[in-house]
Amino acid sequence: DGGITQSPKYLFRKEGQNVTLSCEQNLNHDAMYWYRQDPGQGLRLIYYSQIVNDFQKGDIAEGYSVSREKKESFPLTVTSAQKNPTAFYLCASSRGKALAGVYTYEQYFGPGTRLTVT
Amino acid sequence: SQQGEEDPQALSIQEGENATMNCSYKTSINNLQWYRQNSGRGLVHLILIRSNEREKHSGRLRVTLDTSKKSSSLLITASRAADTASYFCATDTDRGSTLGRLYFGRGTQLTVWP
Repeated sequence: DGGITQSPKYLFRKEGQNVTLSCEQNLNHDAMYWYRQDPGQGLRLIYYSQIVNDFQKGDIAEGYSVSREKKESFPLTVTSAQKNPTAFYLCASSRGKALAGVYTYEQYFGPGTRLTVT
Repeated sequence: SQQGEEDPQALSIQEGENATMNCSYKTSINNLQWYRQNSGRGLVHLILIRSNEREKHSGRLRVTLDTSKKSSSLLITASRAADTASYFCATDTDRGSTLGRLYFGRGTQLTVWP
């Protein structure tokens, strides 16, 4: 059963602690993404990776770190430097599909992790 | 950064009515996609329309794209209570350096009353 999984679904941490969110996919997708979603807001890109051992900062990378040691896995660490970490975090993956000479990237999302920091 | 903007922010209708959501974006694109998100869940891809297409259908969904106005619309016909969700448009960019990246709007919250 192919898909993308995130764990845990809910996560609670004390302020000042680092926390790592898991994201795993068995879709054989090259690209993976981390988004943050706040109430009433759209998705903001934190980091993305188009290939193993390579990743790029998105729009709100400060206070976050990632690694991409395996194609299937793209963990996100929320560090103590992130000033407002409480949010809903979504992981996604995609593989380029050629349509009439242009690549399209439909993204597949995990169920999300709701992080609460107090 | 480039971002789609949906309009309206919220839409409330009765079952059986049609729901129309609009999306505007800022720069040239290769394609535009619509996603759906049920409360507290991940997003699910609904439909993709390429920049050289003007209209596309999938079941009860109809998407239009006007690249001259940099806008798109999503029409859901004969709405059902189960269509209640947030709907997001997402655009790519025709700049190769950010291949694969999508830019999401803030979404339209659709509520369909039985």
